Parts: sequence; structure tokens; C-alpha cells
Amino acid sequence: AQTVTQSQPEMSVQEAETVTLSCTYDTSENNYYLFWYKQPPSRQMILVIRQEAYKQQNATENRFSVNFQKAAKSFSLKISDSQLGDTAMYFCAFAGSDNFNKFYFGSGTKLNVKP
Amino acid sequence: ETGVTQSPTHLIKTRGQQVTLRCSSQSGHNTVSWYQQALGQGPQFIFQYYREEENGRGNFPPRFSGLQFPNYSSELNVNALELDDSALYLCASSLEPGLTNEQFFGPGTRLTVL
Repeated sequence: AQTVTQSQPEMSVQEAETVTLSCTYDTSENNYYLFWYKQPPSRQMILVIRQEAYKQQNATENRFSVNFQKAAKSFSLKISDSQLGDTAMYFCAFAGSDNFNKFYFGSGTKLNVKP
Repeated sequence: ETGVTQSPTHLIKTRGQQVTLRCSSQSGHNTVSWYQQALGQGPQFIFQYYREEENGRGNFPPRFSGLQFPNYSSELNVNALELDDSALYLCASSLEPGLTNEQFFGPGTRLTVL
């Protein structure tokens, strides 16, 4: 079974600073996808960034980037120039080749951006 | 906004009752997945429907069932409600499974079982 672990229940960062959220996963598959989702108090899950396992290059989306270490099964999210609007729960998720639309989520990290 | 809507927003039921939650997928999306998110946890996969047939199920008992309709809407039904069923229920729509895993989530239905 696939498992996703987020070991940081809560983190804080000052506005304009950089923060890194950690995620590790366990799988025996070679072809899979990894995601970071943001869930603000409105509850809507919003895709932040996606990484395909066969791509060695780390994904980036504006202020968001990942450090994907396939051998270590690690997938961390770096948020640069943190903004107050980044305050939310962040979930790491995995989808394997048996069903690319069946997501396994971690338990989440609550990020507080302080002014 | 993802174009995925869910109703109702909140719901309160008592133990033993039955509940139906509804989801309207993004136009053109023929795949819908349902997730249960308990308080303080990440979402857990309940099941997926593709072209009105169940296409994969998570570790949930048979009292969790679903339907998908040709008009891109779907339902999650839970019978014999238990206290532990209290959670946020999310639906997510996507195109053909395996073609892309771009999933669009709805805002969820908060179910409280007393």
C-alpha cells in the first residue's frame, strides 16, 4: 500500500520569508505522480504543484518549487516570498499507475504566515 | 473556482440515519472520485465512478455507495450512519482515468453525525 507522511503538523513563517514543508512517501512503483495541494479555510483543495516521477527536473510554479528526491522518496515544497494568502493547510499526495486519479494524502501541515 | 459544486454545504444527522450527498462535476468530466476527510486528517479515497460504473474503491464498508449520472452529477450515499462518519466529504472530477490526473475538487459537504 502507498503511504504518505508529513511529519510537520504546523509551521510558521514571517511574511516575505522562505519556508519548506516536508513529505516522504513509500511505494514500490516506478511510475507515479506527486502533488502538493493547498486547503484554505474555505475548504476547497487547490493544486499548488505536480511532479511526475520519471522527470528528474524539479517542478516549479512561480513562488512554489519542489525538491524531489526519488531514491530517498522525499518530496518537499519550498514557498519563497511567503504571503499572508499562503496561510492554509498543505497536503502532499501520491497517485500510482494503478489509478492516476486515486490520490493518497498525507495528514497535512498547517502553515501560518505572520505579518 | 473549479467548476465543481457540492450540496449541501453542511448537514446534521443522527446515528442510524441515511444521507445523500451530491456533486456536480466540471462539464465534460466523466470521472468522479469521493474522499472522506476527518477533522485534522488528510482526505481518504472512498471510491471512483467512471461512465456511471464504480472504478475502484478504498477501504470503506458497503454502506458507502454511489451513483453517477449522464449529466456529470453524482451522489454519495451512506446508510446506517455512525458517529465516526462525521467528516468533510469531498468530490473531485477529472477526465478519463489514466489520461490525466488533473483533478478538480469541490468545496465539500460537512457532515455531522450526532
